[in-house]
Amino acid sequence: AQTIHQWPVAEIKAVGSPLSLGCTIKGKSSPNLYWYWQATGGTLQQLFYSITVGQVESVVQLNLSASRPKDDQFILSTEKLLLSHSGFYLCAWRDWPNTGQLYFGEGSKLTVL
Amino acid sequence: GEQVEQLPSILRVQEGSSASINCSYEDSASNYFPWYKQEPGENPKLIIDIRSNMERKQIQELIVLLDKKAKRFSLHITDTQPGDSAMYFCAAKGSSSFSKLVFGQGTSLSVVP
Repeated sequence: AQTIHQWPVAEIKAVGSPLSLGCTIKGKSSPNLYWYWQATGGTLQQLFYSITVGQVESVVQLNLSASRPKDDQFILSTEKLLLSHSGFYLCAWRDWPNTGQLYFGEGSKLTVL
Repeated sequence: GEQVEQLPSILRVQEGSSASINCSYEDSASNYFPWYKQEPGENPKLIIDIRSNMERKQIQELIVLLDKKAKRFSLHITDTQPGDSAMYFCAAKGSSSFSKLVFGQGTSLSVVP
């Protein structure tokens, strides 16, 4: 069975500080991976997706970047946090080409002060 | 367009009654429509989905209907229980693995005794 793990669970950071959020998936080779962002009480917005190591596509520009250093790892980062970066960050994998269903990790809650 | 409209944003029903959430989409190429349930502080969990080759799907108390002509789909929860209280998100996706999953704005469902 596939498992997806995100870290850290929660972070409180200062405006202007750097950020790195991680995601690993086990039990699935060459997964399609995604980063989503959710404002408090808001909907889910896709930020990035990656279908293979070293390849990342940006969907929405939010002064964030993403990297896929390993097949099972997806990293979201920025060098300078903004207040607007606060929210819930969710990594997800898609069961492609089987069911096509999307499964989310537990999420990382980010508070920028 | 890519937008998915979801209504109502807030829904309050009596325990034992039915709850209905409606979504409409713009992209006629969309062929996959999942529904997610999100409890406070947790990640969204896939509860049911429907593909464009179906008009109706039921899993226990959950029923989804799809009207491709009208570009509308809906979730119906029969015999609601307090445990059904949560945020619900609909989403729509195109046929390729690169198509984005676009989420609706969410519905906050409260089931009251």
